[in-house]
Amino acid sequence: QQPVQSPQAVILREGEDAVINCSSSKALYSVHWYRQKHGEAPVFLMILLKGGEQKGHEKISASFNEKKQQSSLYLTASQLSYSGTYFCGTASQGGSEKLVFGKGTKLTVNP
Amino acid sequence: EAEVAQSPRYKITEKSQAVAFWCDPISGHATLYWYRQILGQGPELLVQFQDESVVDDSQLPKDRFSAERLKGVDSTLKIQPAELGDSAMYLCASSLGVGLTPLHFGNGTRLTVT
Repeated sequence: QQPVQSPQAVILREGEDAVINCSSSKALYSVHWYRQKHGEAPVFLMILLKGGEQKGHEKISASFNEKKQQSSLYLTASQLSYSGTYFCGTASQGGSEKLVFGKGTKLTVNP
Repeated sequence: EAEVAQSPRYKITEKSQAVAFWCDPISGHATLYWYRQILGQGPELLVQFQDESVVDDSQLPKDRFSAERLKGVDSTLKIQPAELGDSAMYLCASSLGVGLTPLHFGNGTRLTVT
C-alpha cells in the first residue's frame, strides 16, 4: 500500500521552516526518507524505526509516530540546497517486505 | 565515494524494439534493485536481487521484462518488445543488506519509447 505524502508541493524562502508528512494505512516497521534533485538520483537522508524515534541530519530531522502510522520530516532554516523532491519509503516488516515509496513532495527554496 | 553506475544515461527507441539497461552496484553490496520512476511519481520496485537470486519480482511485467545478475555483481534489465507506456526513468540501487540499510541509487536511464 503506497504511503500518502503531504503536501504535494511547498515553496519557501531561504531560512523558513517546512514539515513534510508521510502516512500509511498499514502498521509500519520503518520509514525511509530520500531527497531527489531534478535529473539526479535519490539520495538517502535517514531511516526511522517504529517506537517514535526521532533522528537528525544537519538541519533536517524526522519523527515516527507509531500510533498514527505517520512520519514527519522537519526542515529548519531552509537553505537553497534543500530544494528537490522528498520521498518517503515505508516497510511494514523488518526485512522481509519491500519499500513502497510515496509520490513525493516537491520543495522549492527561493532566495 | 563509491557510486552505482548505470548505462546508458538516455535511450530512445521505437515501440516493439528491444532495449537493455546495465547496472554496476557499489562493490560489496549484495542486494541490487531495479526501480521504475514515472515522471512525478515515486520509484516503483520492479525486481530485487540478493546476490544472484531474485528475491522479489512481483511487479515485473514478465511477458516483456527480464532481469539477470549472473555473477551476483552487475545486472542487466531488458525490455522486449518496448511499449509506449514503458517510457520512464529506470533506476538501479544497491545496498549492503535488506530492510534497514540505505539504498544507494544510480543516476538512472531515461527511456523514451516512440
